[in-house]
Formats: sequence, C-alpha cells, structure tokens
Amino acid sequence: GAVVSQHPSWVICKSGTSVKIECRSLDFQATTMFWYRQFPKQSLMLMATSNEGSKATYEQGVEKDKFLINHASLTLSTLTVTSAHPEDSSFYICSGQDLANYGYTFGSGTRLTVV
Amino acid sequence: RKEVEQDPGPFNVPEGATVAFNCTYSNSASQSFFWYRQDCRKEPKLLMSVYSSGNEDGRFTAQLNRASQYISLLIRDSKLSDSATYLCVVSPDNYGQNFVFGPGTRLSVLP
Repeated sequence: GAVVSQHPSWVICKSGTSVKIECRSLDFQATTMFWYRQFPKQSLMLMATSNEGSKATYEQGVEKDKFLINHASLTLSTLTVTSAHPEDSSFYICSGQDLANYGYTFGSGTRLTVV
Repeated sequence: RKEVEQDPGPFNVPEGATVAFNCTYSNSASQSFFWYRQDCRKEPKLLMSVYSSGNEDGRFTAQLNRASQYISLLIRDSKLSDSATYLCVVSPDNYGQNFVFGPGTRLSVLP
C-alpha cells in the first residue's frame, strides 16, 4: 500500500533554532500534502495544505513565515519550524493524498520538543 | 460549537465487551465520514469509511445518521489490542479534502 515516510520521528531542539521535517511518499505521487499539528489530548488540527509546485495554503492562525512549507516535487514535502519556541512543542504529522484514488496516507509523525 | 464532537472518554471495558462510540458533526453538508484509530504517539490509521447504509468489517460496525448528524462505531468482542483513541473524521466533499478530525475517544480494554 501507499507509504509516507516522515523524518525525524522525534527531535529535541533549543529555543530559537529551526527544525526541518520531511515527508516522502514512497510509492505514489502525493499531489497534495497536508500538515497537521496535535497537542496532547487534542485532535489533529490542519496547519496547511500544499500542492506540488505552488505555495501552501495556511489555515487561519498559522503563521506562514514561522512554518515554512516546501512541496517542490510530487514525492517530497518539508515543513520547517523556524525560530522554534517551547509552545511549538507538539506532534507534527503529514498526510499525502494520491489523486489517483483520493486516498489519504499519514506519515508516522514527528514529536518536537523545544527546550 | 465544534465541528466534530466526541466524548473523550476514557472508556474502560473488559475483554470481550461490546462498546459503542458516537460522534456528532455540525456541518450538514458533510459528505464523507471515517473512523480512524490512533495509538499513543503514532499516526492515525484508517479503520473504516462510513457509508449511508451502514457497514461492517469483522467486529466493527459503523453507522451514519444524516438526519441527526451523528456517526457511530460499535466494537464487538473487544480485544486488548483494540485499546487506542478512535477519531471521527468528517469531510465536506467526496474527495477527502478538508478533513475535520474529532478530538477522539480513548478506549482501554482491560484483561
């Protein structure tokens, strides 16, 4: 089946640094990649939607200059958390959509802790 | 009112029990409905789609009530491995775009 490889699985970084999270679709073309954030005991909240080759669409309240999304190819999308702060500590997860069958495939998630 | 609401639980049930969860949604134009399962600190995994006529997959039965705008998930003969958080997911279209996740219901199946 379709697989999205997400790395790193977890990362601990110092406040003020930037962290890049990668999501690769391994056996399908993810025309659209969705990026979610999940705080403890809360649901997944959509941060942004990116389509290959175009700028990401951010949800209300999500700072586009802080959460940089790049979707340069049909198999790779990245989320960079710039100048991370402790309140950015969360579980970040991507989901690729294959327009051939409209299936959603989630990455395994990245647990970010900013200290 | 939140778009998708679920009782967060936790539901603690003994092995072999039958347990049911409900989920309500506010957008009457919603078209696609799903149940996802999420283990602790892991990604959500599709458990089953929910069809208007109701559908069953082994021990799992999902039902949709459009008039009352709720979705249900029934788990029969609970196993220890069923312990997880069950997320209700609703989309306003048939293409799976614009997923809205419920907060999830936590289930613990006890030996």
